[in-house]
Amino acid sequence: QKEVEQNSGPLSVPEGAIASLNCTYSDRGSQSFFWYRQYSGKSPELIMSIYSNGDKEDGRFTAQLNKASQYVSLLIRDSQPSDSATYLCAVNKILPLSGGYNKLIFGAGTRLAVHP
Amino acid sequence: GAVVSQHPSRVICKSGTSVKIECRSLDFQATTMFWYRQFPKKSLMLMATSNEGSKATYEQGVEKDKFLINHASLTLSTLTVTSAHPEDSSFYICSARSDRELDTQYFGPGTRLTVL
Repeated sequence: QKEVEQNSGPLSVPEGAIASLNCTYSDRGSQSFFWYRQYSGKSPELIMSIYSNGDKEDGRFTAQLNKASQYVSLLIRDSQPSDSATYLCAVNKILPLSGGYNKLIFGAGTRLAVHP
Repeated sequence: GAVVSQHPSRVICKSGTSVKIECRSLDFQATTMFWYRQFPKKSLMLMATSNEGSKATYEQGVEKDKFLINHASLTLSTLTVTSAHPEDSSFYICSARSDRELDTQYFGPGTRLTVL
């Protein structure tokens, strides 16, 4: 089982619709969760971080976290063609007995295509 | 805020030469920086964690003598690909973690390395 799993897509949605991106993780002790957007040929760009169960909204983006079910989701309202990109889910992993050393574990990403 | 730069953005070199890539946090201090590589249509692969003033922590399977990392200051980390070969051609991306946000990584724009 991969530590962070995402459907690779492509997820195709019409312009103006809601895009729903999902991610599951295996480490029940994870506390920090992130969504990055990556355009083709570019580096990842941080969109949202979430730490508590429930929803967190920022403009057209809403991140949802359910620690009991170990899933994180990202909703994009009023999707635009410019939202077409690969969305990476990342989970912070703290290595035990490491004195606090932590790193991000990335999913493989979901490719979103918003068509006019 | 939270801007990370990388230089060069693109480099083409001959097989056998060494290439140095710089990663700088422009408006924050970063005790910890990370180096990733990414092949086309694949997800990010963490190569190593760079710690200011100490040795880098390499991920399993990454040759530390091949990929030399130096983190001499709180705003600069360098990755040197030694004796580069065509299979080292890839997109190299650094990220920096702000000392104020110990779990959030901000990515540089990446360096595309082509080894002929």
